[in-house]
Amino acid sequence: DAGVTQSPTHLIKTRGQQVTLRCSPKSGHDTVSWYQQALGQGPQFIFQYYEEEERQRGNFPDRFSGHQFPNYSSELNVNALLLGDSALYLCASSLGPRAAEAFFGQGTRLTVV
Amino acid sequence: TQLLEQSPQFLSIQEGENLTVYCNSSSVFSSLQWYRQEPGEGPVLLVTVVTGGEVKKLKRLTFQFGDARKDSSLHITAAQPGDTGLYLCAGAADYGQNFVFGPGTRLSVLP
Repeated sequence: DAGVTQSPTHLIKTRGQQVTLRCSPKSGHDTVSWYQQALGQGPQFIFQYYEEEERQRGNFPDRFSGHQFPNYSSELNVNALLLGDSALYLCASSLGPRAAEAFFGQGTRLTVV
Repeated sequence: TQLLEQSPQFLSIQEGENLTVYCNSSSVFSSLQWYRQEPGEGPVLLVTVVTGGEVKKLKRLTFQFGDARKDSSLHITAAQPGDTGLYLCAGAADYGQNFVFGPGTRLSVLP
């Protein structure tokens, strides 16, 4: 039973560029949430996707956008990268948007230089 | 805005000692989760508590949810070096709401 998988594991981008991160949810899960974890901090909620729609959104600018595909996988896109976007980006999957718990992938470490 | 606080922020102990870490909020949560995270990895779910006063045990780890569902504690008995990591608590105000994470307690167990 595959858990949550994310790709790539590491990424280096230049300021102003755009990046796409990918996530495949745990088998049987249909809801994907994205989090940003800066060094030394807890994860911060970016948004949640269910039924291919953004259902909830945290306090992140419009430069952060996403998509969910019919197979429940998801992408996180960040435009006009800033140095402050450097972080570990985590994807979590759950069974439905009202699930009491979520399971995380290993994350994508994004470094903006 | 819901906030979760965790204490202590850092904890360094010797193998075999007991410890308790705390997760506190002024908000009520419908559920609360504890995760353990190692450097460069994603958080791994340890337990979910949903009922006020609930106590759950996972081997040497004991989790308690406060009666008012505003706080939680994690107690580790006879800590081992393998327990080293960042312990995160996360809560949801209601089912369907996003999880709010605390800043974490970084535990180091020295052999």
